[in-house]
Amino acid sequence: DQQVKQNSPSLSVQEGRISILNCDYTNSMFDYFLWYKKYPAEGPTFLISISSIKDKNEDGRFTVFLNKSAKHLSLHIVPSQPGDSAVYFCAAGHSSYKLIFGSGTRLLVRP
Amino acid sequence: EAQVTQNPRYLITVTGKKLTVTCSQNMNHEYMSWYRQDPGLGLRQIYYSMNVEVTDKGDVPEGYKVSRKEKRNFPLILESPSPNQTSLYFCASSPGQSSGNTIYFGEGSWLTVV
Repeated sequence: DQQVKQNSPSLSVQEGRISILNCDYTNSMFDYFLWYKKYPAEGPTFLISISSIKDKNEDGRFTVFLNKSAKHLSLHIVPSQPGDSAVYFCAAGHSSYKLIFGSGTRLLVRP
Repeated sequence: EAQVTQNPRYLITVTGKKLTVTCSQNMNHEYMSWYRQDPGLGLRQIYYSMNVEVTDKGDVPEGYKVSRKEKRNFPLILESPSPNQTSLYFCASSPGQSSGNTIYFGEGSWLTVV
């Protein structure tokens, strides 16, 4: 039973446009959510996070939105750049050592 | 430079031959863990450790062992590897267990069991 789901395995976006990556979760106890970015041959790196007391967190071109009633999380990248092409994992948990990761979405930003 | 270092990065081994993947972090983090990444399944936690001599099972611990004798090291041991353990493995560390602590990942170890 996957508690964190990323239903889109891949996404292709034109450079300069918005990329929207989605994530759904089932456990209402989750109170902390993160996005990680992974390039080939590298480990995942932290991108942005949000706690359940907020519904939006912004960091430069990256914004994470949280809809607790829908148990839905999304990452917006505006504007998208070719260097953003990577696999993006969402993760959820109620303590840092027990994060549950989604299966990942491969983003391709076309020049 | 703050980092999580794991070795080997690439390994092909045969079924049943014991192997150890080492992991070391230089950030004095209390928490360390191991994940495996498989297509369509994302990152699944194998084992984690909240401090020296404190370890616990994650979501997929079968076939693996760990030890935490020192704070900086957290080796992953496959006593008798099987082909279903062919995967990409990541070691990770974090300052502590409270929400808000970022997890730092190593670069990954590609393991193939034939």
